Amino acid sequence: DVKVTQSSRYLVKRTGEKVFLECVQDMDHENMFWYRQDPGLGLRLIYFSYDVKMKEKGDIPEGYSVSREKKERFSLILESASTNQTSMYLCASSLRSSGPYFGPGTRLTVT
Amino acid sequence: DQQVKQNSPSLSVQEGRISILNCDYTNSMFDYFLWYKKYPAEGPTFLISISSIKDKNEDGRFTVFLNKSAKHLSLHIVPSQPGDSAVYFCAARGGNNDMRFGAGTRLTVKP
Repeated sequence: DVKVTQSSRYLVKRTGEKVFLECVQDMDHENMFWYRQDPGLGLRLIYFSYDVKMKEKGDIPEGYSVSREKKERFSLILESASTNQTSMYLCASSLRSSGPYFGPGTRLTVT
Repeated sequence: DQQVKQNSPSLSVQEGRISILNCDYTNSMFDYFLWYKKYPAEGPTFLISISSIKDKNEDGRFTVFLNKSAKHLSLHIVPSQPGDSAVYFCAARGGNNDMRFGAGTRLTVKP
């Protein structure tokens, strides 16, 4: 069974803090993704990675960066958190030939 | 601009009837399409997919239809059950293995 785990289910941070969201998958998937989910906007792609140390911008990369030093781990970094980054963050992984498997999500609140 | 669009935010159907969820896309390079189901406080789970070389794929009560010329796909659920009540997301894969999602449709199946 594919497992995608995210470091926290709920997180509260202050404006201006640096925030790290960690994601780990255990199925040797090449692709990993970070999305945010907001009401009425669905799932929007922030960044994705198709290999170690490779990254591609999605539709809303501003204010975010990512790191993929190992195949199983994909980190999302908010350099200086802002209130408009309050959201549900979803990590996913996939083989090249399949659809993504999602983690349970991290609900981030920036105050 | 969203490349995958679900124009109906919500749909309500009676138990036992057919549910039809629709999705439109703009990028002709998409080659693989998927539907996901999401319950509150959980990550989306994969439901059914279709390759761009096919026009129909069935899995039990779920059928996905693809009309490439219209850039349109739909998910049919027959018969609908109360347990099908969830948010349904349409997704499409681009040439870079990036996955784009729509805004979602909330399906309510009434007993």
